[in-house]
Amino acid sequence: GDSVTQMEGPVTLSEEAFLTINCTYTATGYPSLFWYVQYPGEGLQLLLKATKADDKGSNKGFEATYRKETTSFHLEKGSVQVSDSAVYFCALVNFNKFYFGSGTKLNVKP
Amino acid sequence: DAGITQSPRHKVTETGTPVTLRCHQTENHRYMYWYRQDPGHGLRLIHYSYGVKDTDKGEVSDGYSVSRSKTEDFLLTLESATSSQTSVYFCAISAGDQPQHFGDGTRLSIL
Repeated sequence: GDSVTQMEGPVTLSEEAFLTINCTYTATGYPSLFWYVQYPGEGLQLLLKATKADDKGSNKGFEATYRKETTSFHLEKGSVQVSDSAVYFCALVNFNKFYFGSGTKLNVKP
Repeated sequence: DAGITQSPRHKVTETGTPVTLRCHQTENHRYMYWYRQDPGHGLRLIHYSYGVKDTDKGEVSDGYSVSRSKTEDFLLTLESATSSQTSVYFCAISAGDQPQHFGDGTRLSIL
């Protein structure tokens, strides 16, 4: 069946470091892909999305490219801030069914 | 922000009591979902609804029931709460193959 796998955390970085959080997926057909962010005590917020192969989703300095050939949707940011500390979830939707990765906690130190 | 309201936001209750959580949306979306989130388990789908009176089970549905009598409301009921159901519960809505939007969660403690 469909699934999403993302890298284990926590990931700890210094402010202004480069961020990559890996996400790969398994799916039939043509899923849409998403990254969500969850700040402490809050629900998940949509960060960015991509609906077809080679699409690049971007928001707030974060980017992810839908790579069908490698079934990946890695999240990147060139320079992280302390305020980016949160849990990040990769997800896909396929035929109206959603699948979430297990989440990656990011800690950014000043 | 998507119009999703969960109530209550926090609840403490005792084992064996019934508990109902409410999710209310103002977006008129067809799909509604209940998840629980626990450390080490990520998000797990409990039940979902694809229309009024149309619901189906998720991966952790045992001990939970749901009802959707109106488009805007999706209720999650724990018929007889157990300590293993202590968790944070999230409601989400979606218009089909579009991103889900989440509520702020209900923190439920069962003593």
